[in-house]
Amino acid sequence: DTGVSQDPRHKITKRGQNVTFRCDPISEHNRLYWYRQTLGQGPEFLTYFQNEAQLEKSRLLSDRFSAERPKGSFSTLEIQHTEQGDSAMYLCASSFWAPSSYEQYFGPGTRLTVT
Amino acid sequence: GENVEQHPSTLSVQEGDSAVIKCTYSDSASNYFPWYKQELGKRPQLIIDIRSNVGEKKDQRIAVTLNKTAKHFSLHITETQPEDSAVYFCAASAPKRGSTLGRLYFGRGTQLTVWP
Repeated sequence: DTGVSQDPRHKITKRGQNVTFRCDPISEHNRLYWYRQTLGQGPEFLTYFQNEAQLEKSRLLSDRFSAERPKGSFSTLEIQHTEQGDSAMYLCASSFWAPSSYEQYFGPGTRLTVT
Repeated sequence: GENVEQHPSTLSVQEGDSAVIKCTYSDSASNYFPWYKQELGKRPQLIIDIRSNVGEKKDQRIAVTLNKTAKHFSLHITETQPEDSAVYFCAASAPKRGSTLGRLYFGRGTQLTVWP
């Protein structure tokens, strides 16, 4: 499968614990996005990278959230001191940035449950 | 920032009928409008998109129309089939401060059910 992959697919954690998710984009894609989706809602933007540079962060991304893309390939999203409100599906998407190329392709997501 | 509204939230049609989902956006700078299909427990899948220099785009049974003046765009599915049943999301994207398109702003989704 040459699409976007995410790991783990499911994560159950206790409130206050830290969690880290990984996203592997489509290999030639230089942009990588993180979104969060809760039940009955559309994905909400969290942050995105072009290569290793983090270009934009949403106000949703509190200080407890941090994302990295150290070598411009895979990315990690860490949530510190998890809260029940962090329970959601965390989606990663990638795209190949070019003036005529806009499509974002999503991974299967990591479903986080905070108990 | 951009605000995308989507209607209806649920839509039930008989197999073979047409389905139309409508979205409005608030930022006149938005110039890219994709539609995603999400089946239960699966990833959002890009099914069609349109750019602001085009008024209509068609791909087999699906089409998207864009009215920039009114700031709304619509998804049309003809000859619906049970496998079209899913949640459909519209989205919009606008260039940000001299850079190219980035984040997508999504609508809340439409649950389409096609009855055989």
